[in-house]
Amino acid sequence: EAGVAQSPRYKIIEKRQSVAFWCNPISGHATLYWYQQILGQGPKLLIQFQNNGVVDDSQLPKDRFSAERLKGVDSTLKIQPAKLEDSAVYLCASSLVWEGYNEQFFGPGTRLTVL
Amino acid sequence: AQSVTQPDIHITVSEGASLELRCNYSYGATPYLFWYVQSPGQGLQLLLKYFSGDTLVQGIKGFEAEFKRSQSSFNLRKPSVHWSDAAEYFCAVALYNTDKLIFGTGTRLQVFP
Repeated sequence: EAGVAQSPRYKIIEKRQSVAFWCNPISGHATLYWYQQILGQGPKLLIQFQNNGVVDDSQLPKDRFSAERLKGVDSTLKIQPAKLEDSAVYLCASSLVWEGYNEQFFGPGTRLTVL
Repeated sequence: AQSVTQPDIHITVSEGASLELRCNYSYGATPYLFWYVQSPGQGLQLLLKYFSGDTLVQGIKGFEAEFKRSQSSFNLRKPSVHWSDAAEYFCAVALYNTDKLIFGTGTRLQVFP
């Protein structure tokens, strides 16, 4: 079974530029998560989708971050414009359903460096 | 608010030695508790989880963890460490009957031959 796919794996941009990350969850998984992992910290949930609807985006900096999950499968996370403090690894995860507990499966992440 | 504390940022052990990674949580009730491992360039992998019942849980790769309610702890152990265990380990808590994970800051494990 294929895991969660993410691209690109690495991205270097200058501050004030825009960047987008892509995630393809495990086939059949209804729930998709984006996490931000700053160096020296644990992952922090940015946004959670159930199919193509947003369940929780309370930690998403909406002035510069946006995310969508068209057709309830792939998802894109965008930062516009980027700041130095956005340098982090962005992890995507998926789980089978939303209700109750379901194990989250994580992708390898995209490492973003903002110069 | 829920929180997770991993007091050890970096631990170094010799191959074959025993290992214990500490985790303390703050939560009003018994949460769901997890340990994840993250190898360089890899995503997080679930090692084990505790929901209820037997307070000693077994996981993959020979790891186990013990839930101690009185100490609000969920420490990870392995009797004999292998060089391939070198990685970053994260303790996490989830609200009861949800999948919203709150992670600790992680412990980096280094293994010397």
